[in-house]
Amino acid sequence: EAQVTQNPRYLITVTGKKLTVTCSQNMNHEYMSWYRQDPGLGLRQIYYSMNVEVTDKGDVPEGYKVSRKEKRNFPLILESPSPNQTSLYFCASGRGQTISYNSPLHFGNGTRLTVT
Amino acid sequence: EDQVTQSPEALRLQEGESSSLNCSYTVSGLRGLFWYRQDPGKGPEFLFTLYSAGEEKEKERLKATLTKKESFLHITAPKPEDSATYLCAVQGAGNTGKLIFGQGTTLQVKP
Repeated sequence: EAQVTQNPRYLITVTGKKLTVTCSQNMNHEYMSWYRQDPGLGLRQIYYSMNVEVTDKGDVPEGYKVSRKEKRNFPLILESPSPNQTSLYFCASGRGQTISYNSPLHFGNGTRLTVT
Repeated sequence: EDQVTQSPEALRLQEGESSSLNCSYTVSGLRGLFWYRQDPGKGPEFLFTLYSAGEEKEKERLKATLTKKESFLHITAPKPEDSATYLCAVQGAGNTGKLIFGQGTTLQVKP
């Protein structure tokens, strides 16, 4: 089954403790991206990647890191999490190197992160 | 600045009561307008892509239309299983790497 898989689904951690949220897609997609979803703010892009070893900042990259060493994986790293990073995180992938009419995004089922 | 506004924020319908959701957008060089459905606890699920004014797409009870300034998602004779949050997003020519999402419309269909 074609899918985007995120792990873990739920994560509770403390301020300053480094964590990684994994994302993997099995569709051989070029493009991958991370979004966070907050009440009243909607979905906002954190980082995206158009190809292996190519990443770029989205609208809210502060406090996050990403890497794209393999096509299928795009982990999100929080080096020193803070309470304002408590949110619902989504990974997405797309067939082309960019999003386009013919290449919509496919989303994972989310990771709910709580930082205390 | 690219922007998307959806209305209403919430909509309650009786089963079988047709209605429309609105997505107004401002974008420099539209490369695509996307509709997604999001169920509680799940990621957004792709529904439609529209590109040209006048374009229409249909899927079961849903029909999406596009003008130069807005898109509508028409729901005909909805069923309770159509209850979800519907998200609209646009991609502009200025940044091909991201989608700009609206806040969504939460639809509740009562039997």
